[in-house]
Amino acid sequence: QQQVKQSPQSLIVQKGGISIINCAYENTAFDYFPWYQQFPGKGPALLIAIRPDVSEKKEGRFTISFNKSAKQFSLHIMDSQPGDSATYFCAASGMDSGGSNYKLTFGKGTLLTVNP
Amino acid sequence: EAQVTQNPRYLITVTGKKLTVTCSQNMNHEYMSWYRQDPGLGLRQIYYSMNVEVTDKGDVPEGYKVSRKEKRNFPLILESPSPNQTSLYFCASAGTGTYEQYFGPGTRLTVT
Repeated sequence: QQQVKQSPQSLIVQKGGISIINCAYENTAFDYFPWYQQFPGKGPALLIAIRPDVSEKKEGRFTISFNKSAKQFSLHIMDSQPGDSATYFCAASGMDSGGSNYKLTFGKGTLLTVNP
Repeated sequence: EAQVTQNPRYLITVTGKKLTVTCSQNMNHEYMSWYRQDPGLGLRQIYYSMNVEVTDKGDVPEGYKVSRKEKRNFPLILESPSPNQTSLYFCASAGTGTYEQYFGPGTRLTVT
């Protein structure tokens, strides 16, 4: 059972364009929604994250939009650059019933290619 | 520099030969976790630990063991590796009360 669905699987954008990656979740107990960026041969690195009490968070060229009623959130990369080419993972987390696990439930990832 | 380190980074082994992948963090984090990454499946949690001597299963714990004898270290043990454990493994850590997890560089394991 996939609890976080991510689309598209791959995305090609021209330099300067806007990249948009979407995620949908099922578990209403989730209360933390991060995006991770992963370059080849590297571990995932936290890019930006949002809590469900706000609908949008912006950090530089990266923005998360969050729709609690629709259980969806998305990553927007403005003025996309070739250096942004990487795999992006959305994730969701919420304390389990035992109050002990910060487990991240990941989407399957989006391979972003930004052409020069 | 705050970081999570893993060793080895690459490992090729044969079925049934016990191996250990080490993980260490220098951020004094209480929470540590292991994930495996497989094409088309994303990252899935194997085991986690809330503190020293406290460990519990994640989503895919079969065939793995862990231990947490020191706060900074969280080794992953495969006592009898099988080819279906060929994967990319990541260790992660987080401080108490925060969901922000920091990942290591990964260990690519091949079991033949």
